[in-house]
Amino acid sequence: NAGVTQTPKFQVLKTGQSMTLQCAQDMNHNSMYWYRQDPGMGLRLIYYSASEGTTDKGEVPNGYNVSRLNKREFSLRLESAAPSQTSVYFCASSENLADTQYFGPGTRLTVL
Amino acid sequence: QKEVEQDPGPLSVPEGAIVSLNCTYSNSAFQYFMWYRQYSRKGPELLMYTYSSGNKEDGRFTAQVDKSSKYISLFIRDSQPSDSATYLCAMILTSGTYKYIFGTGTRLKVLA
Repeated sequence: NAGVTQTPKFQVLKTGQSMTLQCAQDMNHNSMYWYRQDPGMGLRLIYYSASEGTTDKGEVPNGYNVSRLNKREFSLRLESAAPSQTSVYFCASSENLADTQYFGPGTRLTVL
Repeated sequence: QKEVEQDPGPLSVPEGAIVSLNCTYSNSAFQYFMWYRQYSRKGPELLMYTYSSGNKEDGRFTAQVDKSSKYISLFIRDSQPSDSATYLCAMILTSGTYKYIFGTGTRLKVLA
């Protein structure tokens, strides 16, 4: 039982490049989330998926897209990376929206 | 004004001390309150989850919610060096617009 897994762990991009961050959970949770964490800003919700087949914007969605591929997987895409997107990205899942969230280990992204 | 305010610290205490961590919030509609612990370079993990005013105890940890003052606290008794981490408060609103808001976190260091 791996919980929430994220790939890659580290990534360096040049401005304008695209990439997809992958997230998978094996807890049969309905809801999944993507956050970014920046010094002094805390965790900020980018997008969430209440259940398979639905996605909604969070607090800071600009510059990102998401796909809820199936119940287990929720990916985050940066179409044209910008230096302001340098951050640590966390994926999380929960049974439902008001439940405890379980976090992955994070992806450290640097955009040059 | 941020919806959730949390003193970033750092807070340094000697081993065995009682630690008090606090958050204030502005939206009286928040329904659920949590405390997460985050070790360096790891994802947050849930410590305490409450949904009503009053106290909830779990081992050395006590969570306190005062909805009338819009104030939540986490107390750690007999603090240990292994408690050194960043502590994040979080709050959920599910009626109307869904919100899962984290505080910026308080860095705690327990000195042996």
